[in-house]
Amino acid sequence: AQSVSQHNHHVILSEAASLELGCNYSYGGTVNLFWYVQYPGQHLQLLLKYFSGDPLVKGIKGFEAEFIKSKFSFNLRKPSVQWSDTAEYFCAVRNYNTDKLIFGTGTRLQVFP
Amino acid sequence: DADVTQTPRNRITKTGKRIMLECSQTKGHDRMYWYRQDPGLGLRLIYYSFDVKDINKGEISDGYSVSRQAQAKFSLSLESAIPNQTALYFCATSDMTGPEQYFGPGTRLTVT
Repeated sequence: AQSVSQHNHHVILSEAASLELGCNYSYGGTVNLFWYVQYPGQHLQLLLKYFSGDPLVKGIKGFEAEFIKSKFSFNLRKPSVQWSDTAEYFCAVRNYNTDKLIFGTGTRLQVFP
Repeated sequence: DADVTQTPRNRITKTGKRIMLECSQTKGHDRMYWYRQDPGLGLRLIYYSFDVKDINKGEISDGYSVSRQAQAKFSLSLESAIPNQTALYFCATSDMTGPEQYFGPGTRLTVT
């Protein structure tokens, strides 16, 4: 069965530190990839997405992600985090054939001033 | 995002009670989804509907049922609530032309 793995369950950083959150998926066919963010007490919001083309995708708030097909990975990065980036981050993959999104278990990011 | 609304936002109910969670959207999307979120488990799909006449089970549909009353409305029911259904429930929508999903604000359900 298709799955998404987020190996970092809880990440704690100081402001200005660099961030990389891992995401690996198991499906070998055509996929669309997403990162969603959930700020405390809020609903999920789309951060960025990859459909095709340039494997380096830029999203909102300075986030980017790189699709590496050979590694089945779609890691999220930000060069310098801010306190306001404290949130939970979910990676998701869309199975092109079933049209469903499969979510990872999420990574909780805490940024301290 | 006011385009997708959920009612109620919070609900406490007792074991054995029937409860309905409602979702409405003004985005004009055909596709609607119900997920539950549990700490450490991420989001898991309960049911989804690609149009008014199409209802499909997700990965954890046992104990739940849904009704797609109109393109804009998709309700989730717990026929006889049990404590392990305590969770945060999200409704989401998507359009046929784009796979990204748009989420409602969530309903926090507690079953005692």
